[in-house]
Amino acid sequence: AQSVTQLDSQVPVFEEAPVELRCNYSSSVSVYLFWYVQYPNQGLQLLLKYLSGSTLVESINGFEAEFNKSQTSFHLRKPSVHISDTAEYFCAVSPTGGGNKLTFGTGTQLKVEL
Amino acid sequence: GAVVSQHPSWVICKSGTSVKIECRSLDFQATTMFWYRQFPKQSLMLMATSNEGSKATYEQGVEKDKFLINHASLTLSTLTVTSAHPEDSSFYICSARKRARSSNEQFFGPGTRLTVL
Repeated sequence: AQSVTQLDSQVPVFEEAPVELRCNYSSSVSVYLFWYVQYPNQGLQLLLKYLSGSTLVESINGFEAEFNKSQTSFHLRKPSVHISDTAEYFCAVSPTGGGNKLTFGTGTQLKVEL
Repeated sequence: GAVVSQHPSWVICKSGTSVKIECRSLDFQATTMFWYRQFPKQSLMLMATSNEGSKATYEQGVEKDKFLINHASLTLSTLTVTSAHPEDSSFYICSARKRARSSNEQFFGPGTRLTVL
């Protein structure tokens, strides 16, 4: 079984400031890792994912996340946030060996202020 | 692309009635579709996994007779909430996995907000 912990339920930050959203996971098997973003009253959109290879993955809108196997973490970072980044962010894992199930964290509400 | 749609986007119904929610993969074939439930300010909880042409697999604690899932084709899955009650009010989200992909990536629909009066 897998579990995902997002310690920060809310993260307020000023526009153009850097931000880090933390994600730690627990699993007895190897996993793929994902970050999803959810805007109000909408479904989830994939932000970025780690499947294999380079442990640093990037999204098209400036977010990046680094897989740290020893610390079982997959923190999400952005060096300079924008108002439009205000949303709920979910970290999720899925076992590489099949089964397809995604296990989500409880989410982090990122609120970008002027 | 990998677009998943849901219909309706929102629905209000009276207690005791049944509601059907459709989930469609618009530009790909989905061998597996997933149904999630999300309560306000909480994470998504997997309700069931449906594979085309076979019975859905429900997660522990989810009543299969109350939440009927049908996955009749590679592009359509439906969730029917039978005899809905106010506690069934929630945001229901489906996702779909592409055929023959190994990344376990799921593509999510925009969600359906159900309010039971």
